[in-house]
Amino acid sequence: ETAVFQTPNYHVTQVGNEVSFNCKQTLGHDTMYWYKQDSKKLLKIMFSYNNKQLIVNETVPRRFSPQSSDKAHLNLRIKSVEPEDSAVYLCASRVQDNYAEQFFGPGTRLTVL
Amino acid sequence: GDSVTQTEGLVTLTEGLPVMLNCTYQTIYSNPFLFWYVQHLNESPRLLLKSFTDNKRTEHQGFHATLHKSSSSFHLQKSSAQLSDSALYYCALSDCPSGSWQLIFGSGTQLTVMP
Repeated sequence: ETAVFQTPNYHVTQVGNEVSFNCKQTLGHDTMYWYKQDSKKLLKIMFSYNNKQLIVNETVPRRFSPQSSDKAHLNLRIKSVEPEDSAVYLCASRVQDNYAEQFFGPGTRLTVL
Repeated sequence: GDSVTQTEGLVTLTEGLPVMLNCTYQTIYSNPFLFWYVQHLNESPRLLLKSFTDNKRTEHQGFHATLHKSSSSFHLQKSSAQLSDSALYYCALSDCPSGSWQLIFGSGTQLTVMP
């Protein structure tokens, strides 16, 4: 079954470490996203990526960076994590259409000690 | 910038009673695209219904919503709540900085249906 896949499911790390999360979609979509869902369940866009164009939400700290090898993959790297980075990171994809459904992956839960 | 407001953080009601979750939005676009996503416990959000047509009711899985551009609203309703409706509901607006069509989500409403 085609879908949006994320690894790992969980990650626990210490302040200052670097982490990287993977996302792959097999839906043939041309736009991918990273969202952050915090402990209050607020869901905020971090990055959008389509046709090799990256759109960055202006509130995202510079220690976050997306990495893409092709339109089916969009990874997320965090250099030097902070306690406030503890959250669930959700990857999503959709076709490049303003009315299209976004399909979400299962999420990666990050805990920063 | 664009924004979505969901006034109720928590809604608790008894099975069989009607459901109404509020959603209002602000956008610079004259033709906004509105969505309701539902997230059950330990799952990821999935689309419940969507609309871009003014004053037209859209329905899915017993839920319905009507986009009213005059009041910038897209409230979610259901005539009779079921236990399985307990979940987190997000209203979202499709935003388009540089063609990305990303979603701007409201703060979410946690619906709990009691027996």
